[in-house]
Amino acid sequence: EVQLVESGGGLVQPGRSLKLSCVASGFTFSNYGMNWIRQAPGKGLEWVAYISSGSSYIYYAETVKGRFTISRDNAKNTLYLQMTSLRSEDTALYYCARELPGDCWGQGVMVTVSS
Amino acid sequence: DIVMTQTPSSQAVSAGEKVTMSCKSSQSLLYSENKKNYLAWYQQKPGQSPKLLISWASTRESGVPDRFIGSGSGTDFTLTISSVQAEDLAVYYCEQYYDTPFTFGSGTKLEIK
Repeated sequence: EVQLVESGGGLVQPGRSLKLSCVASGFTFSNYGMNWIRQAPGKGLEWVAYISSGSSYIYYAETVKGRFTISRDNAKNTLYLQMTSLRSEDTALYYCARELPGDCWGQGVMVTVSS
Repeated sequence: DIVMTQTPSSQAVSAGEKVTMSCKSSQSLLYSENKKNYLAWYQQKPGQSPKLLISWASTRESGVPDRFIGSGSGTDFTLTISSVQAEDLAVYYCEQYYDTPFTFGSGTKLEIK
């Protein structure tokens, strides 16, 4: 069964950092591009970042460029999102999703930025 | 950035009825070299993660009921549910993956009368 499981979320103060992880199983992780997509409470979906299968291509939304870093470890079947200089507007449920378009999504991990 | 505009924002229909929802992009999503439209539709049921229904504007994903029909090309796209079922209660999003930043529409909330 194809599965994505996110972790690493929580409550963090503005300006601090947090690192999210997404562990993949049930498919050959190294063959697929991956995304982070977020959803603020009660709001719609916002694409955050994409990384290609071999990490050659990386793209970010302007709202996170320079603050967030997407990376992956294909040996560990794991996708990461390093988030720095967090702002209140980064508060959201963060999903990892496989490929473009996202044909498999995790259950999401909540990030709350508040003092 | 490509802006995705979905209408209506919400719609209430009775089970068995046909429903259509629109998604318009601010620029063409049709790639001339492969004649494909880089447009996807997702369904997000309450409390769940989004689920991919349709890719390439009209290709239904495996296991998606055939009452879900995607159509359109260029800048105008439609998702049709031919006979709505109670379990179709959800928010439906379109997404363009033609160019970065990949962008979503604001969603159409489908309510069942």
